[in-house]
Amino acid sequence: EVQLLESGGGLVQPGGSLRLSCAAPGFTFSAYAMTWVRQAPGKGLEWVAAISGSGGSTFYLDSAKGRFTISRDNSRSTLYLYMNSLRAEDTAIYYCAKGGYCAGDCSLKFYYRNGLDVWGQGTTVTVSS
Amino acid sequence: EIVMTQSPASLSVSPGERATLSCRASQTVSSNLAWYQQKPGQTPRLLIYGASTRATGIPARFSGSGSGTEFTLTISSLQSEDSALYYCQQYNSWPPITFGQGTRLEIK
Repeated sequence: EVQLLESGGGLVQPGGSLRLSCAAPGFTFSAYAMTWVRQAPGKGLEWVAAISGSGGSTFYLDSAKGRFTISRDNSRSTLYLYMNSLRAEDTAIYYCAKGGYCAGDCSLKFYYRNGLDVWGQGTTVTVSS
Repeated sequence: EIVMTQSPASLSVSPGERATLSCRASQTVSSNLAWYQQKPGQTPRLLIYGASTRATGIPARFSGSGSGTEFTLTISSLQSEDSALYYCQQYNSWPPITFGQGTRLEIK
């Protein structure tokens, strides 16, 4: 069964850092684009970042550029989100989600062609003093 | 950035009836649109991609239509378990990927 298992959330002070992880057993991890999506308390879904199957291409929400880094270790079937200079407005549940078939560095049209078909349970990040 | 606008914000429908949810894009997204369902306290679930293709395991009473800037999610023969938030998402022009603000569906 395809599963995504996030970890690493917690309470952090403004300006602090966190590393989120998403373990992805059950499928050929390296062949798929992956995405982080967040949901602030009582709010809707917000796309944060995406990465190609090889990890060679990455994309970010404007407010995350320069502060967040998405990466992956295909040998460990694990996705990461490194978050620095955290702000109160980054407080949210962070979900990792599996995208489309994207072995290597594929065209953008492949990242979401089948939607985000598997989601993790989410990990909660709270930025507060 | 493409802005996705969903309507109505909420609706209440009786069991067995049909619900129609709308999603409008601020510019064309072709058929690069997905719909997700999120129940309280749960993870989003993919319902529809490519505007009209049901995801694996999604019942046939969920259907999507539209292209360009106007899209519809129709849920026929509503059941109590369909009570949820529904989001549309465009993936035609990105980054960023953008979601609508959601429609809350209540089953009376």
